Amino acid sequence: DSGVTQTPKHLITATGQRVTLRCSPRSGDLSVYWYQQSLDQGLQFLIQYYNGEERAKGNILERFSAQQFPDLHSELNLSSLELGDSALYFCASSVGSGRTYEQYFGPGTRLTVT
Amino acid sequence: GEDVEQSLFLSVREGDSSVINCTYTDSSSTYLYWYKQEPGAGLQLLTYIFSNMDMKQDQRLTVLLNKKDKHLSLRIADTQTGDSAIYFCAGRRESRFNAGNNRKLIWGLGTSLAVNP
Repeated sequence: DSGVTQTPKHLITATGQRVTLRCSPRSGDLSVYWYQQSLDQGLQFLIQYYNGEERAKGNILERFSAQQFPDLHSELNLSSLELGDSALYFCASSVGSGRTYEQYFGPGTRLTVT
Repeated sequence: GEDVEQSLFLSVREGDSSVINCTYTDSSSTYLYWYKQEPGAGLQLLTYIFSNMDMKQDQRLTVLLNKKDKHLSLRIADTQTGDSAIYFCAGRRESRFNAGNNRKLIWGLGTSLAVNP
């Protein structure tokens, strides 16, 4: 158990819909990262937040947005969903202290868009 | 460019050693990581190596780094069926522009290791 929690575990929705994925980082971790893992693209970094502020952006679509709240949990919002958005979405957290700062991953949310 | 490449599949017999290879293009990578993803689970950090090291050993795991060739490998001794998983190589790129906590990891696509009894 990494200490990172994600909800829901599975999500099935239709094209055009909007969903929100939730992540709670490990206690004490200030950085939260979102990743998308699909069969054809592998693991893709989406976005990073540190202490409530966006710090790094990867291959995140404009239809997707995220935020980190004062209690440090984070939400990833996916809108106008397409079939190709079906994937595993991982959240990871790290202390971000400038050392090796290992990223600890949550179990993921499996999104299926039908 | 930012690239980390791995073979997609590896199959070994139980009890043999497994060697998973990774090549990276960014010579400024300072930390290199190996993560393991078991079926239906999240990613788990296995081990990491700093770029000024050639080798790191941790129980059954041995990491070898060849900086000249930008080649990283993970050797699993006495591979067990429980080692069947996808193994990801990732590099952390350092830049004087990446201050504080916004360094990002560059990931390979993962090597799927199948261990046959």
